[in-house]
Amino acid sequence: DAKTTQPPSMDCAEGRAANLPCNHSTISGNEYVYWYRQIHSQGPQYIIHGLKNNETNEMASLIITEDRKSSTLILPHATLRDTAVYYCIVRVGLYNQGGKLIFGQGTELSVKP
Amino acid sequence: GAVVSQHPSRVICKSGTSVKIECRSLDFQATTMFWYRQFPKQSLMLMATSNEGSKATYEQGVEKDKFLINHASLTLSTLTVTSAHPEDSSFYICSARDSGAGKGRGTGELFFGEGSRLTVL
Repeated sequence: DAKTTQPPSMDCAEGRAANLPCNHSTISGNEYVYWYRQIHSQGPQYIIHGLKNNETNEMASLIITEDRKSSTLILPHATLRDTAVYYCIVRVGLYNQGGKLIFGQGTELSVKP
Repeated sequence: GAVVSQHPSRVICKSGTSVKIECRSLDFQATTMFWYRQFPKQSLMLMATSNEGSKATYEQGVEKDKFLINHASLTLSTLTVTSAHPEDSSFYICSARDSGAGKGRGTGELFFGEGSRLTVL
């Protein structure tokens, strides 16, 4: 059911920007793109989400292409604590209408000193 | 952000016994909660959607009589693994949607608990 494709793993040097790509070529016009991350043996942590426009918060930036078929999560200054599995998810439906998050395989990001 | 708490965080039980896992939204009310399970080195798999005051909606292939879900209040959902077997050993994670009721920020987004690791001997 997952509608996204991500590279299985990536490395990033500490202090550098981490750019995590995601393809969602079959996304519908009213479907949001979500990013969560999961540090080993913990529950997923919400990062950011967007529909059409680029979004930024205290954790990251989300860049969505104009055709909405792909997006990139940017961690501007990666630290060792950002090492985690990052999930790009297209929300299926509205939450108050039975919507839910279906996780794909994610990208395992390793931040190295 | 909003806080979702799970209890217990770890549980070990004998084969054939039943285990109950609680999921609580601590600072907001959640009409909808979700239960996932995760095997080692794999992604999260959605098991069911828990709706306050009504029956849970199970994903295809998930046995409703095996995994009993009760969402008795706006802040509590429970998952009971009945007659547990070693193949039920897994990491069970719940999530709750901050719909804006209570003290939540009303982002409408899902927040996840820290997970409960079940080991069936």
